[in-house]
Amino acid sequence: ETGVTQSPTHLIKTRGQQVTLRCSSQSGHNTVSWYQQALGQGPQFIFQYYREEENGRGNFPPRFSGLQFPNYSSELNVNALELDDSALYLCASSLGQGGRYEQYFGPGTRLTVT
Amino acid sequence: GNSVTQMEGPVTLSEEAFLTINCTYTATGYPSLFWYVQYPGEGLQLLLKATKADDKGSNKGFEATYRKETTSFHLEKGSVQVSDSAVYFCALSEFLMNNNDMRFGAGTRLTVKP
Repeated sequence: ETGVTQSPTHLIKTRGQQVTLRCSSQSGHNTVSWYQQALGQGPQFIFQYYREEENGRGNFPPRFSGLQFPNYSSELNVNALELDDSALYLCASSLGQGGRYEQYFGPGTRLTVT
Repeated sequence: GNSVTQMEGPVTLSEEAFLTINCTYTATGYPSLFWYVQYPGEGLQLLLKATKADDKGSNKGFEATYRKETTSFHLEKGSVQVSDSAVYFCALSEFLMNNNDMRFGAGTRLTVKP
């Protein structure tokens, strides 16, 4: 069974640019959540996708957007990058939406904005 | 809103020492509680969980008991090893919520010396 995978591993972008991060969920999982982990901090919930629709969002501006595809893989898009967007971005998949389902995390994508 | 507060680090122990990392929470509903571990350069791995009051989660010698009366979920291990060196995160999610908005503490870095 393949776990959650993310690509790329590392990324360097310039302020104002746009970035797309990718996540493949664990086999059988229909829900993907994205988190931002700033250096020295715990992860913060960005949003969640369940069966291709966003069904929960944390305190992040609209320039953070996402997609989920029919195979349940997902993308996180960030427009107009700011220096504070530098962080580790974690994707987690689960068997369903809701707090009762265990989340399985990928290794993350480290984004550096210069 | 829901939140988690955990003991500030870093924590440095000698091998075979007893470990306690304190975690307290604030929640409005029926939270499930988790401990995740993050090794250098990796994503989060679920260490243990508890879904209702008085439940004890355990794994790899680590234990934590869900204490509703003190709103706590402290992590303990009787004898730590060098391989336990990592960052530990306490987290909370609402069992009945319709999304996976998981709230994390800031993390506690543990270093175990031989």
